[in-house]
Amino acid sequence: DTEVTQTPKHLVMGMTNKKSLKCEQHMGHRAMYWYKQKAKKPPELMFVYSYEKLSINESVPSRFSPECPNSSLLNLHLHALQPEDSALYLCASSQDFTPLRSSYEQYFGPGTRLTVT
Amino acid sequence: AQSVAQPEDQVNVAEGNPLTVKCTYSVSGNPYLFWYVQYPNRGLQFLLKYITGDNLVKGSYGFEAEFNKSQTSFHLKKPSALVSDSALYFCAVRAYILTGGGNKLTFGTGTQLKVEL
Repeated sequence: DTEVTQTPKHLVMGMTNKKSLKCEQHMGHRAMYWYKQKAKKPPELMFVYSYEKLSINESVPSRFSPECPNSSLLNLHLHALQPEDSALYLCASSQDFTPLRSSYEQYFGPGTRLTVT
Repeated sequence: AQSVAQPEDQVNVAEGNPLTVKCTYSVSGNPYLFWYVQYPNRGLQFLLKYITGDNLVKGSYGFEAEFNKSQTSFHLKKPSALVSDSALYFCAVRAYILTGGGNKLTFGTGTQLKVEL
């Protein structure tokens, strides 16, 4: 099973709202990722978690707050977003460093289409 | 810094004809290269990867890719295109995050493939 699930599929929120995006995988992957993607553009990396610890924050504004409660779950908490934050938010997971194996590909969820009004 | 380039924004092919989507890379050390496909309003799907070994890599849905070290290229190919192959294709290169773990994918700008009857 190479499935990454994301909820909700669509989200419309006002600039004063607080909401959360959720991501789940059961592949035993210990690295999880959040990406932001605008239409027809490549995904932009936001955060990387490795073994439930934050590994990379790509200078993302503090109105985006990631959380990794356990090895299968990844959340993205949203607060006071701007209209320019409207995008497709993708979650992905992969093996972490495995010197004897080569399964480094990331598996992506279907995304959450976020609209900020 | 590692990077990949996709020189064509769009590729048009007639159904049944062979297709090629181009990708060139710039890395220090051994490259870890990937191809992903994205259908409208969906997440990215992993197609294939090159880690080491044979220069011709076979992947999902009849796609294959040819790794050429002298030309620093990793072109995606399919012998006979289908209308259903029409989608956005991304080439990516992977780097391990030494400081905190996880894998960083750097994507190309994407190539829109259009297969017509």
